[in-house]
Amino acid sequence: ELKVEQNPLFLSMQEGKNYTIYCNYSTTSDRLYWYRQDPGKSLESLFVLLSNGAVKQEGRLMASLDTKARLSTLHITAAVHDLSATYFCAVVTGTASKLTFGTGTRLQVTL
Amino acid sequence: DTGVSQDPRHKITKRGQNVTFRCDPISEHNRLYWYRQTLGQGPEFLTYFQNEAQLEKSRLLSDRFSAERPKGSFSTLEIQRTEQGDSAMYLCASSFPRAFHRTGELFFGEGSRLTVL
Repeated sequence: ELKVEQNPLFLSMQEGKNYTIYCNYSTTSDRLYWYRQDPGKSLESLFVLLSNGAVKQEGRLMASLDTKARLSTLHITAAVHDLSATYFCAVVTGTASKLTFGTGTRLQVTL
Repeated sequence: DTGVSQDPRHKITKRGQNVTFRCDPISEHNRLYWYRQTLGQGPEFLTYFQNEAQLEKSRLLSDRFSAERPKGSFSTLEIQRTEQGDSAMYLCASSFPRAFHRTGELFFGEGSRLTVL
């Protein structure tokens, strides 16, 4: 059974600091997603990583994928309060292209 | 067409009642997925359709749950004899397989939040 684990589960960080969220998964996949979710809201797509070594950046967020290590990272640079949310990684498996989500990382950026 | 829409957005019901949620995918998308998300957890796959055919169901989908997509367009998810454990956000997503394999785009709706009292 595929397992997708994120760490940390909760992250409190000050504005202006850098940090990395890690996503490990237990089976082969060449496609990984990062989503943001605000409280009570649906999922907002941040990044789709389609191959080994893929790196994508948007604003203060940068995501990378290492399929050999089965690891993806979401790096936050100079955090701002607006980044406070829960971040999920998700891995595609099977012919149905269904997503298996990680446990989520709740990010709180303090002033 | 602005995206995947779901209705109702919120539903409060008493235990034992039946509820139905509707999802309208993006018009050219022939794949449609249902996920369930409980508080503090990531979404979990429930089922998916390719056109009108329901091709996979999770073991999470008990006999009280049924999903349909009669004409390959909108889909409904019905929960019979609701239980408090059914309280969750029910998310619908859609994709177009060729685009999905090229770009990985999967579009989620705003979700339908169910509260069972």
